[in-house]
Amino acid sequence: NAGVTQTPKFRVLKTGQSMTLLCAQDMNHEYMYWYRQDPGMGLRLIHYSVGEGTTAKGEVPDGYNVSRLKKQNFLLGLESAAPSQTSVYFCASSLRTSGPQETQYFGPGTRLLVL
Amino acid sequence: KNEVEQSPQNLTAQEGEFITINCSYSVGISALHWLQQHPGGGIVSLFMLSSGKKKHGRLIATINIQEKHSSLHITASHPRDSAVYICAVRFLLSGSARQLTFGSGTQLTVLP
Repeated sequence: NAGVTQTPKFRVLKTGQSMTLLCAQDMNHEYMYWYRQDPGMGLRLIHYSVGEGTTAKGEVPDGYNVSRLKKQNFLLGLESAAPSQTSVYFCASSLRTSGPQETQYFGPGTRLLVL
Repeated sequence: KNEVEQSPQNLTAQEGEFITINCSYSVGISALHWLQQHPGGGIVSLFMLSSGKKKHGRLIATINIQEKHSSLHITASHPRDSAVYICAVRFLLSGSARQLTFGSGTQLTVLP
């Protein structure tokens, strides 16, 4: 099993450009998450999904959109990139959100630089 | 405000030393997680705790619910333990999102 994969691994954008980050998991997990990680701060939740076709806002959703058309994929979109969105983005998935199966499995991360 | 505080922020140890990393949180939780972020960036889950103590190899995690505090211990530390260790909690009142709140991490460096 590949676990959680993310593409691309690294991207440079100019201000105003758009892009989509792809997350895929092969563990049949219901729950998927997009986080951003900035220096000196903990991981912060951008958006999450509780199942195919459903998405919801997390702590820092502004400037991002998401879609989950298939259970195994969770896409994060930046419509008009800003320098403040320079960060490392992690996708994660879990089987449940409580109990022994709430452990989250993380992808390798995408490093995004917005100039 | 629901907060998670880790200490120390940075820790340097000599190989073989016993290491303790601390995590404190502000209000009641349903679960606490310890994660490890490798120098290459990947994040893996080490433990999930709701009470008591768990052990895996040289790693031990404890939690004191009354004191709102958890510790991660590493016995006989090794340079390969060098990583960022992250504490994350699920607050009881996290709403329908049941989302995790993460500490800012402890950078551990173990010197040979």
